[in-house]
Amino acid sequence: QKEVEQDPGPLSVPEGAIVSLNCTYSNSAFQYFMWYRQYSRKGPELLMYTYSSGNKEDGRFTAQVDKSSKYISLFIRDSQPSDSATYLCAMTTLYSSASKIIFGSGTRLSIRP
Amino acid sequence: ETGVTQTPRHLVMGMTNKKSLKCEQHLGHNAMYWYKQSAKKPLELMFVYNFKEQTENNSVPSRFSPECPNSSHLFLHLHTLQPEDSALYLCASSQGTAEAFFGQGTRLTVV
Repeated sequence: QKEVEQDPGPLSVPEGAIVSLNCTYSNSAFQYFMWYRQYSRKGPELLMYTYSSGNKEDGRFTAQVDKSSKYISLFIRDSQPSDSATYLCAMTTLYSSASKIIFGSGTRLSIRP
Repeated sequence: ETGVTQTPRHLVMGMTNKKSLKCEQHLGHNAMYWYKQSAKKPLELMFVYNFKEQTENNSVPSRFSPECPNSSHLFLHLHTLQPEDSALYLCASSQGTAEAFFGQGTRLTVV
């Protein structure tokens, strides 16, 4: 079983829709959870991070963690064509430098104008 | 200019060649990482350096040899690679937290 599972998509939605991206994981020791966005031919860029269970909101983006279910989500409201990218979930047990970060395989998202 | 710069952006090499990938971070971070990204696979952590010392080697074959002369520079020396080593190689850095900042990557093709 992979440590982190993520539906690869592709996921295609119309502009303005609410997007839900999800990951499940098996290691209950994971405490810090991150979402990265990767545009074609670019490196991943950090979107959001959260600690333990709960929600965190940043503009149109909301990250949600449910440690009891080992399930994390990223919601994008009022989706825009510029949100079209691959979204990677990532997590680690230790929030410090040189942490071993485990990534999901990424979900390709396409927002149709 | 991005905080983490990788060169070259693209590299084609034969299986008998020796080449090196370079990464430089301008963020003052103390930790640097090499990741491998293959199509439809998760990012694979290869090596981690913290204050120039290697803290993680994720069972990487010896044909990949990292070098970290200081906290700002990281190299990946390549020799006798295989076609299955073709991938996007990403460098990242972090400081005091687990949030890693990535470079644009080097697209490597082994022929």
